[in-house]
Parts: sequence; structure tokens; C-alpha cells
Amino acid sequence: DAEITQSPRHKITETGRQVTLACHQTWNHNNMFWYRQDLGHGLRLIHYSYGVQDTNKGEVSDGYSVSRSNTEDLPLTLESAASSQTSVYFCASRNSDARGTLGANVLTFGAGSRLTVL
Amino acid sequence: RKEVEQDPGPFNVPEGATVAFNCTYSNSASQSFFWYRQDCRKEPKLLMSVYSSGNEDGRFTAQLNRASQYISLLTRDSKLSDSATYLCVVTLSGGSYIPTFGRGTSLIVHP
Repeated sequence: DAEITQSPRHKITETGRQVTLACHQTWNHNNMFWYRQDLGHGLRLIHYSYGVQDTNKGEVSDGYSVSRSNTEDLPLTLESAASSQTSVYFCASRNSDARGTLGANVLTFGAGSRLTVL
Repeated sequence: RKEVEQDPGPFNVPEGATVAFNCTYSNSASQSFFWYRQDCRKEPKLLMSVYSSGNEDGRFTAQLNRASQYISLLTRDSKLSDSATYLCVVTLSGGSYIPTFGRGTSLIVHP
């Protein structure tokens, strides 16, 4: 069965370290998204990609970067982790080719990565 | 004003109750609408899409009112297992198709 997996599921790191959260999907979806979820803020978009070699900034992109070298993966990198980046991170994917059809624009989420920056 | 707004609740209801959630959106060009369910410490999962004519899935009914720019979710005969956070999701048009989430409405169903 197709799936979307995130790793690690839990990570504790120190301020200033570089951290990479992996996201891998086998749906063959073109669109991939990274969100963070914090109490009081809901899900906020960090970065997104519409396809290979395409990346775009979301509303809270400062301090984060992504790369899309293939369809399956969109790793999220925190260049220099800060305590404000302690959060739960969700990766999601979507089939852009389904636009205009039933099921179009439906996001499928990974199980999340819980990051703590000390 | 946030693009997508929901009453955070919590809605605390007994089993068997009917409960309604509303969600308002600010951009009239919004194209697609969804309700997602999120259990504590889990990922959001699609509950149902919302179609222009309204749609029903078992105990759940979703409605869209484009004129007033809101969507609703009606849950009948609430179960203990319905306790979760319900997220309203709106996808804007204009070629970007970016999904925007409301902050969610918390539902607690008690015996």
C-alpha cells in the first residue's frame, strides 16, 4: 500500500545544531508540504513543492529549508535549531493531477515528527 | 483577520447529542473545502470533502454557504469515539492551490 513516512518520529537536539526531518511518500504525488503545529496556532505552512526541483516558502519559512531532488522525498532542514522551533512537524502530499475530480486537493499526512530544541 | 476561522471550543456534549461546527473563510475565490479529524498527538485525517450541494456521510453532514463564506459540519448521535479536534481546510484558487487550515474545534463526548 502507498504511504507517507516521516523520520525520526522524535528528536531532541541542542540550540544551534542542524537538524533534518525526512519525509518519504510512495503515492507518486507531485505536491508535498511541510507544516508545523503548535498550541494556539494550528497548522502553519513552512515550505511546499509542486514537483522535482520546485520549492516554495510558506508563511513561517524563516530558519527552514527544503530540497526536492526526486518525487518521493522532501526533507526539511533546520540550519541552526532554535528553541522556538520546538514543535510537531507534519509532512503531507497531494495528487495535483486530480484537480477538478472527486478527491482532488485531498492531503495525506505523515504521522509527524516531534522535535524538541533545548 | 485569519483566512480560516473556527471556534476553538471545546464543545462538551453527551453521547447521542447532535453538535454543529462552523468555519468561516475570508477569500471568496476559495475553491475546495474539507473537514479533517485529528486525534490527540496524531496526524490529521480526512473526514469528508464539502461539496456545493452539501453532502452526507453516515452521521456527518457537511454544508457549504458560498454567499456567507462558511462551511459547517453536523454530527448526529455523537459517540465517545468522536472526541477529537475537527479542522476546517480551505484551498484557495488562483493557481496556487495552497491548503489553509483553521485552528480546529475540539469536541469532547462524555458518557
